[in-house]
Amino acid sequence: DGGITQSPKYLFRKEGQNVTLSCEQNLNHDAMYWYRQDPGQGLRLIYYSQIVNDFQKGDIAEGYSVSREKKESFPLTVTSAQKNPTAFYLCASSISGGVYEQYFGPGTRLTVT
Amino acid sequence: GESVGLHLPTLSVQEGDNSIINCAYSNSASDYFIWYKQESGKGPQFIIDIRSNMDKRQGQRVTVLLNKTVKHLSLQIAATQPGDSAVYFCAENDSNSGYALNFGKGTSLLVTP
Repeated sequence: DGGITQSPKYLFRKEGQNVTLSCEQNLNHDAMYWYRQDPGQGLRLIYYSQIVNDFQKGDIAEGYSVSREKKESFPLTVTSAQKNPTAFYLCASSISGGVYEQYFGPGTRLTVT
Repeated sequence: GESVGLHLPTLSVQEGDNSIINCAYSNSASDYFIWYKQESGKGPQFIIDIRSNMDKRQGQRVTVLLNKTVKHLSLQIAATQPGDSAVYFCAENDSNSGYALNFGKGTSLLVTP
């Protein structure tokens, strides 16, 4: 999975609870991304970060928050404000400074009941 | 944003045959294109990419063709193997709009013996 780790692989939470998904990379990449994938669908961008301490909203940022305090780490918090949080969450990274291929982690499957 | 779509949701081919997966895009300013392979429950795996200053690029058993006139992208897989069975996504980027990739919904490739 290209030096990107996501944990845990499966996560279960009760409705109304915030939950944080971990993403770590050892590729020395500047840029990191979070995507959401629903069954039979493509990937939709939640947030991305081109550099430490900076991040931008993607297409579906509502109900999510991120931080980028270290180059290697880009955790995603799914808040209770996210209306339909059950999904497969994918983290990716790429060399910054231009458009390059993104390398993906193995994903975290979040189930909220 | 601009849409990225695939012509066929599923494709079934016999082992040893060549596979062609198609993708249409609508943003004429898109200048970077990429193909990913995703196996069930895993993160997408980079296959090949191409920039808009090229119309063909070859990798190991794969070829990507880009027709900017009709805004069409295709992935050709030679001598398809059972291990090629997966969902294939195309994605595009308009570098003037930022570094995020826009993904299509995916095509499921099934290789039968």
